[in-house]
This record gives sequence, structure tokens and C-alpha cells, in this order.
Amino acid sequence: AQKITQTQPGMFVQEKEAVTLDCTYDTSDPSYGLFWYKQPSSGEMIFLIYQGSYDQQNATEGRYSLNFQKARKSANLVISASQLGDSAMYFCAMREPGTGRRALTFGSGTRLQVQP
Amino acid sequence: EADIYQTPRYLVIGTGKKITLECSQTMGHDKMYWYQQDPGMELHLIHYSYGVNSTEKGDLSSESTVSRIRTEHFPLTLESARPSHTSQYLCASSETGGYTDTQYFGPGTRLTVL
Repeated sequence: AQKITQTQPGMFVQEKEAVTLDCTYDTSDPSYGLFWYKQPSSGEMIFLIYQGSYDQQNATEGRYSLNFQKARKSANLVISASQLGDSAMYFCAMREPGTGRRALTFGSGTRLQVQP
Repeated sequence: EADIYQTPRYLVIGTGKKITLECSQTMGHDKMYWYQQDPGMELHLIHYSYGVNSTEKGDLSSESTVSRIRTEHFPLTLESARPSHTSQYLCASSETGGYTDTQYFGPGTRLTVL
């Protein structure tokens, strides 16, 4: 069974500073995918970034980067130059392996608050 | 960027009513999912579909049912709503065979049963 752990229920960061949101995972399958989603107070889930277990480089998407440490089973999200609009819940998720339903297992989330 | 729509966004309804939450996507994705999320909590899979006429229950037991008669449409129905059904319901879709199989979510429906 897969498991995602996010140990930071809430984080504060000053505007324009960088922040790291932690995510550790557990799986016995060598092939897996890791995702980060942002959920503003309006409720929608916004896809941010993806990291595959066989990807050689850490994923980056604009101000988002993923610090992927496979041996430690961690996939931390780094947001550079935080903006007020980054205030939201952030969820780390792992996709099921294989060719079946490929559903996502989510962590409990981290609430990020960006302060001016 | 995927286009996936859910209606209504908000629904307040009395106990015992039948409700249908709509979900549609215009990407032609084969796989579609319904997740349930209590406020501030993680999402849990309640239904999924591989394609037309294919639906399966997810990990979290749910009294809701789903149907998939058209590729783009995946509605969720509650025959008799109860206060315990109060939650947010999020629909998602993903293409089959892609490298990432990224799931794209709709805006969600916040259901309150009085």
C-alpha cells in the first residue's frame, strides 16, 4: 500500500521569500509518480508539478521546483519568490502503479500563508 | 490545461432528497474519478471509470452511484441525501497511456445536507 505523509499542517512565509513544503512517501513499487496540487479557498485542485520515479532531474515549473530525494523517499515542493496568491492548501499525491485505475493517494496537506 | 466542469458549485439540500452532481470534460479523457474531501482534509477516491459503461467503487465507501454513458460525462447521484453526505466532491479526469497520467480536477461541488 502507498502512503503520503505531510508533517507540516501550516506554514508561514514572507512575501518574496522561498518556502519548502515537505512530503515523504512510502511504496514498494519501483515505478511511481508524484504530484503536487494547490487548493485555494475556492476549492478547486490545481496541478502544479510532476516527478516520475525514473526521472533523472528534479522537476521544475516556473516558480515551483521539486526536491526529489529518492533514497530518502522525499519529494519536497519549493516555491521561490512567494506571492500573496500562493496562500492556499498544498497537497502531495502519489499515483498508483501499474496499468489499472491509476488513482491518487493524497497526503493531509499543508496550509501555506504568505504574509506581506 | 484541461477543461473539466462541475455543477452545481454549491448545493444546500434537505435530508431525503435525491441529488445529482454533474461532471463533464472536453479533453476526451478515458479515465474519470470522483473524490470526496472533508474540509481541510485529504481527498479519498469514491468512484472511478475506465471509459464508457465502466465504473468501479473506490477506496472510501460511499452510498452514491455513478454512471458513464458518454465519454465526457460522469455524474454522481445520491438517492437519499443525509447530513453525513455533507462534504466537497471533486471530479477529475486523465488520459490513458500518457507518461504522467496527470489528473485534472474540476472546481468541486460543496454539498450541505440539512
